[in-house]
Order: sequence, then structure tokens, then C-alpha cells
Amino acid sequence: GESVGLHLPTLSVQEGDNSIINCAYSNSASDYFIWYKQESGKGPQFIIDIRSNMDKRQGQRVTVLLNKTVKHLSLQIAATQPGDSAVYFCAENPGWNRDDKIIFGKGTRLHILP
Amino acid sequence: DAGVIQSPRHEVTEMGQEVTLRCKPISGHDYLFWYRQTMMRGLELLIYFNNNVPIDDSGMPEDRFSAKMPNASFSTLKIQPSEPRDSAVYFCASSEQGASGNEQFFGPGTRLTVL
Repeated sequence: GESVGLHLPTLSVQEGDNSIINCAYSNSASDYFIWYKQESGKGPQFIIDIRSNMDKRQGQRVTVLLNKTVKHLSLQIAATQPGDSAVYFCAENPGWNRDDKIIFGKGTRLHILP
Repeated sequence: DAGVIQSPRHEVTEMGQEVTLRCKPISGHDYLFWYRQTMMRGLELLIYFNNNVPIDDSGMPEDRFSAKMPNASFSTLKIQPSEPRDSAVYFCASSEQGASGNEQFFGPGTRLTVL
């Protein structure tokens, strides 16, 4: 189907280490991908995005990697901090007929160990 | 700008009652999205509008759900009659343009509990 899914529902990382959150997507026609962060009691917040014509994009402490061959997306967070504790969602724009909606994955909870 | 504004933040109602959720998008944003979030189903798109016109309502679960956008600064999501399985957090989001390449800004959500 066209769902976006995640390999790990919960990820525990030591403070200061790097975090890698993975996501698999099933629609090969998807041409735009986004990572969102959701803190407890708040709405999702945009982190970083990437288009299908790119393999990698970097932001502040975050990097998104896209492997279209295996339809895999990952979010890397460098030097993880307590404030990074949240649920992270990957999302895709299916690209059907220039559809403007995005489909969210189930989410991965990132837990920071002191 | 204050961001996307939703009201109420919490709503507790009894089964069978009508529920109306409200959203004020960010000024100048042409797109408005309504999502529902539950533990079981995650974040689901219910409906979205472009320039106040509903574009895709395929995510609306059933006829008990309806959404309107009478003007560029206001939208409502109505559930009538409400059922316990409608309990969820409902988010409104807005963006300047469509999905591809345009960040969606989410409101704080409305937590709905139907008893």
C-alpha cells in the first residue's frame, strides 16, 4: 500500500551520542519527504525535508538521508540532548496528480538517557 | 504571528452530543488541514482546504464528521453525533502552499474525550 512505516517504535540513546531514526516508505512515486518532531502535549513541528532528487540534506544537528533504491529514509541527530526527547514522524507526499497532502508514519519515540 | 490557534484545548462530552472544534490558521496561508491522532492509528489526515475550498475529504471517517471553512481565517470540524471511538487529539495545520516543499504549521490540538 501507500503507508509510511517505522522500524522501531522506541529508541533510547545516551545523552551526547548520535541518534538514528529510520523510516520505510512503500510508494515509489513519492517525491517529497519530511521529518516532524512532536513533544508531549504539542502539535508536530517541522524539522527537515528532502526531495526525491536528493540523497542527503543537512540542517542544524540533523541530517536526513534518502535511499530511493530501498525506499528508506533516516533522520540523524548529532550530539543528542535532553530537549530532543520526543516522538519523531516521517511523512511523505505521494505525488499523485500533484496531491497536496502528506501521509504520516506511526512515529518513533526517542528517549534520552542521562 | 501567534501561529495556528485551536479551541477548545480540551473537550469532554457525552456520547450523542454534537462537538465543534475550531481553528484559526496562520494569516496568509492558503492551505488548511485537519488531522486526528490516536495511539492505534497514529496521525491521520481527515480533510484539507485550499483557499477555503475542500479539496480532499477522503479521510473523513463517516457522515457524522463535517468540516467547513467559511473564510480564510476560520475553520470548524463538527462531529454529530459523537461516539466514544471519536476520542482523540484533533490537530489543525496550515501552510502557505501545498504539501510539496511547504512546511505545515500545526496548532496545539484539541483533546476530545467522548464518554
